[in-house]
Amino acid sequence: NAGVTQTPKFQVLKTGQSMTLQCAQDMNHEYMSWYRQDPGMGLRLIHYSVGAGITDQGEVPNGYNVSRSTTEDFPLRLLSAAPSQTSVYFCASSYGTGGATNEKLFFGSGTQLSVL
Amino acid sequence: ILNVEQSPQSLHVQEGDSTNFTCSFPSSNFYALHWYRWETAKSPEALFVMTLNGDEKKKGRISATLNTKEGYSYLYIKGSQPEDSATYLCAFFPGNQFYFGTGTSLTVIP
Repeated sequence: NAGVTQTPKFQVLKTGQSMTLQCAQDMNHEYMSWYRQDPGMGLRLIHYSVGAGITDQGEVPNGYNVSRSTTEDFPLRLLSAAPSQTSVYFCASSYGTGGATNEKLFFGSGTQLSVL
Repeated sequence: ILNVEQSPQSLHVQEGDSTNFTCSFPSSNFYALHWYRWETAKSPEALFVMTLNGDEKKKGRISATLNTKEGYSYLYIKGSQPEDSATYLCAFFPGNQFYFGTGTSLTVIP
């Protein structure tokens, strides 16, 4: 099983450029989410979705857009990249929303993004 | 923004030592507490999902306990091995989204 597939693994952008980080899962998970990992900080939630057509903001949503048109895919769009968005990004999915014992998160392999 | 704290930040132990670390979280609006193991150059992998006060979970040499009334969880590793070297993350779930701690980095010295 592929699990959670995240692309690209590495990306360098110039300030002001836009790009989309792709995330796909093949486990029929309803819950999908995007996190960023910065030095000295825990994983911080950017956006999440509890099902197709439903998205919501997390802790640090500014500068990012998401949509969920299918159960499988949850792309993260950077509208106009800024150096403050240099980070490692992780996509994660789970069967439910995390409140039951079978609702653990499955993580993608991460995207290292540098904005110059 | 909820505060989830993990201590210590890092830990170096000798092979064979037993060790434990702490995750502190708000005691209100508790739904679940997750523990993840994160090896360098890999993605976090789930160890435990704990939902009830007094829960105890065990997976091999690793175990965890949960106290929702006072807002803490302990992770224990018995007889540490070099392959246990990783960062251990906890994540508090109050019903809508996850709040992660900054992790405890464990290094097991052979």
